[in-house]
Amino acid sequence: EVQLVESGGGFVQPGGSLRLSCAASGFTLSDQYMDWVRQAPGKGLEWVGRSRDKGSGYTTQYAASVRGRFTVSRDASKNSLYLQMNSLKAEDTAVYYCAKDLSGRYAWDQWGRGTLVTVSS
Amino acid sequence: QSALTQPASVSGSPGQSITVSCTGTSSDVGAYNHVSWYQQHPGEAPKLILYEVSDRPSGISDRFSGSKSGNTASLTISGLQADDEAVYSCCSKSIIGSPWVFGGGTKVTVL
Repeated sequence: EVQLVESGGGFVQPGGSLRLSCAASGFTLSDQYMDWVRQAPGKGLEWVGRSRDKGSGYTTQYAASVRGRFTVSRDASKNSLYLQMNSLKAEDTAVYYCAKDLSGRYAWDQWGRGTLVTVSS
Repeated sequence: QSALTQPASVSGSPGQSITVSCTGTSSDVGAYNHVSWYQQHPGEAPKLILYEVSDRPSGISDRFSGSKSGNTASLTISGLQADDEAVYSCCSKSIIGSPWVFGGGTKVTVL
């Protein structure tokens, strides 16, 4: 069974850092494009960033709102995806989901349950 | 404010059909057939119910169908059931800005 489990969320002050993890099971992470998507309280979903598969050199892409502050990475040995978040702002407060791309169909067919990040002083 | 516009809420009685609209621009919904829809029950992860406008993933009921006309995509739920009560969000590939844009979500209520 395919499963994604996020962890690492919590409370952090503005300007602080946090690293989120997404542990994958049931499939090989390196074979898939993976994304982070967030949802601020009471708001819609927002795409955050992408890590392409091994064949694409694990290249990354980011939303303008997080570019230069957030970094997506992977650890193939742990079958895990990460989101390093630096210089956090109040507007980064959200539930962060990792999601598996549906192999070139421009959709995400597997999502984790999310982890809540709260940025506040 | 979300890039794609959805109604805040739609309601219907059991057995009825409802339609949720998702309006974008010629740079997103109108530019591609890469529109997907997600169902989200409270406290749960989003679940893919349609991709490429009208394709259903394995295991998704054929009561869910999709279409697109110009800059507006639509999700239709037929034979409405109690478990369909959830928030439905659309997503589209985009030419400009963020490569993926979402709607703000529509709360579907089964009366």
